[in-house]
Parts: sequence; C-alpha cells; structure tokens
Amino acid sequence: AQSVTQLGSHVSVSEGALVLLRCNYSSSVPPYLFWYVQYPNQGLQLLLKYTTGATLVKGINGFEAEFKKSETSFHLTKPSAHMSDAAEYFCAVRSHYGGATNKLIFGTGTLLAVQP
Amino acid sequence: GAGVSQTPSNKVTEKGKYVELRCDPISGHTALYWYRQSLGQGPEFLIYFQGTGAADDSGLPNDRFFAVRPEGSVSTLKIQRTERGDSAVYLCASSSFTGRPGDTQYFGPGTRLTVL
Repeated sequence: AQSVTQLGSHVSVSEGALVLLRCNYSSSVPPYLFWYVQYPNQGLQLLLKYTTGATLVKGINGFEAEFKKSETSFHLTKPSAHMSDAAEYFCAVRSHYGGATNKLIFGTGTLLAVQP
Repeated sequence: GAGVSQTPSNKVTEKGKYVELRCDPISGHTALYWYRQSLGQGPEFLIYFQGTGAADDSGLPNDRFFAVRPEGSVSTLKIQRTERGDSAVYLCASSSFTGRPGDTQYFGPGTRLTVL
C-alpha cells in the first residue's frame, strides 16, 4: 500500500525567507509524486510533478522539489517566500504501474503562513 | 468551460435526506475522479471513471454512495440517507487519458456539503 506523510501541519515563514515543506512517501513500486496547492475556497492546483527522469523538478510560482529515492522524500522548496504563497499544500503519490486506477493518495496537508 | 466546474458550490441538507452533486469535466477529458476532503484532512479518493464506466469504486465508503457518468462527460455523485459524518467538501477532477499514470488531474472548486 502507498502512503504519504507530510511533516508539519502548519509552517510559518517570513516574507523573503526560504520555504521548505516536507513530504515522505511509502511505495513498493517506483512512485509518481505530485505537489498541489489549495487557496481558500478554491480547488487544488498542480504545482509540479515527478514521473521519471530528472529528480529535480521545477514547477510554477518558483517552487521546486527533489525526488530522493534513498530518503523516500519529495520535499517542496522555494528560495524566497511571497505573501501570495500563503495557502495549503498537499503532497500526493500515485502508483507507477497504473493498472485499473490512477487515483491519487494525498497527505494531510501543510498550511503555509507568510509573515510580513 | 475552461476548467472543471461543480454545482452546487454549497449544499445544506438534513440528516436522512438524499443529495446529488454534479461535476462538469474539462471538455474532452475521458477520465473523471471524485474525492472527499474532510476538515483538516487531505482529499480521499472515492471513485474513478474511464468514459462511462466506473473503473475503480474502491473508495466509496458504503452503499449509500453512488456515482454515474451516463454519457461519458458530466458525472453525478449521489448520497442516500445522508449522515452528519458525510459533511465534507466533495472534489471532482478530470484528466485526459494517455494510459500513463503521470496524467495531470485538474480539480474543480468543490461542493461543500453540510448535513445538519
């Protein structure tokens, strides 16, 4: 069975500071990994995804994440936080081998606050 | 429309009543997913359609929940004899289907269901 753990349900950073949101996964097969962002009263928006190839993935709004198989991690980073980055962030995993379903398994989310 | 739309945006009902939630996927997307997001949690998978058929309904919590997609486009999630524990945000997502698990799922804004 696959699962995702997001460490830290709430993270607070100052504007201009580094953003680091942690995600660890469990999967018996090579995973496909995703980061989604959810702004208040809005749907989930894809930030970035790792499928195959380069382990450092760049996404929208200056975010990036690195797939580290040895650490079973896919942490999300951004060098300099903006006030507009305040939102909830979800890490998700999907089975690499496909099969009958392409369902996503989400973590419990990390709420990012950005202080002026 | 340009994105996934869901109606209604909010639904308040009484315990024991029947409700229907509607999802309009992105035009041309053959894959459609329903998820449920409870307060403070990540989305949880309910059901996945490929075309008109439910390819995976393993996430439906019990037989009070049912979903249809009769023409391979719009989908309706139906909940019978609602319970207070059904209160959550119900999210719909769609994707084009290339047969690869890396296909991006695009989410709608959700329907917030409150059972009194």
